[in-house]
Amino acid sequence: DGGITQSPKYLFRKEGQNVTLSCEQNLNHDAMYWYRQDPGQGLRLIYYSQIVNDFQKGDIAEGYSVSREKKESFPLTVTSAQKNPTAFYLCASMSRTGYEQYFGPGTRLTVT
Amino acid sequence: AQSVTQPDIHITVSEGASLELRCNYSYGATPYLFWYVQSPGQGLQLLLKYFSGDTLVQGIKGFEAEFKRSQSSFNLRKPSVHWSDAAEYFCAVGAGNNNDMRFGAGTRLTVKP
Repeated sequence: DGGITQSPKYLFRKEGQNVTLSCEQNLNHDAMYWYRQDPGQGLRLIYYSQIVNDFQKGDIAEGYSVSREKKESFPLTVTSAQKNPTAFYLCASMSRTGYEQYFGPGTRLTVT
Repeated sequence: AQSVTQPDIHITVSEGASLELRCNYSYGATPYLFWYVQSPGQGLQLLLKYFSGDTLVQGIKGFEAEFKRSQSSFNLRKPSVHWSDAAEYFCAVGAGNNNDMRFGAGTRLTVKP
């Protein structure tokens, strides 16, 4: 069954700690994306990657980092430099020949 | 750069009534347009998309949308709403490449019994 998995679904961390969110896809898609969702603000792009070992900053990359060592995986690290990390994080992917993005179920991160 | 406006933050309709969710976009070239639906605490599911051709597009779950270039709009419609349609709906516009999809702020749909 093809799709995108994100784990864990809920994540709790103390302020000052880095935390890594997992995103895996078995759709054989080249491009992968990380979005942040806050109430009433839609989705904002954090980082994206079009091929392995390459990624680009989105609109709100400050305080986040990513890696793309494998086609299937695009983990997001929320660092202690992110001022307001509590949010719902969504991972998405897109094929080379398509224009629509497919989304994972999301991870809700709470930092206290 | 492209942008999307969903003028309605929250809409309430009765079950069985018709629905129209508004979406206006700003983009200089032919846009790639999408509607997604999100249930609480879940990811986004693609309802339908428009790239070119017939301006009335059919999607899943009985939804349709009409592209009107003159009005820069891509409104989502459903003739008869079911209680299970209660969710948040997002309109999005893409530039056709892999990098730049913009989402509206979303419209939350409540369905009254």
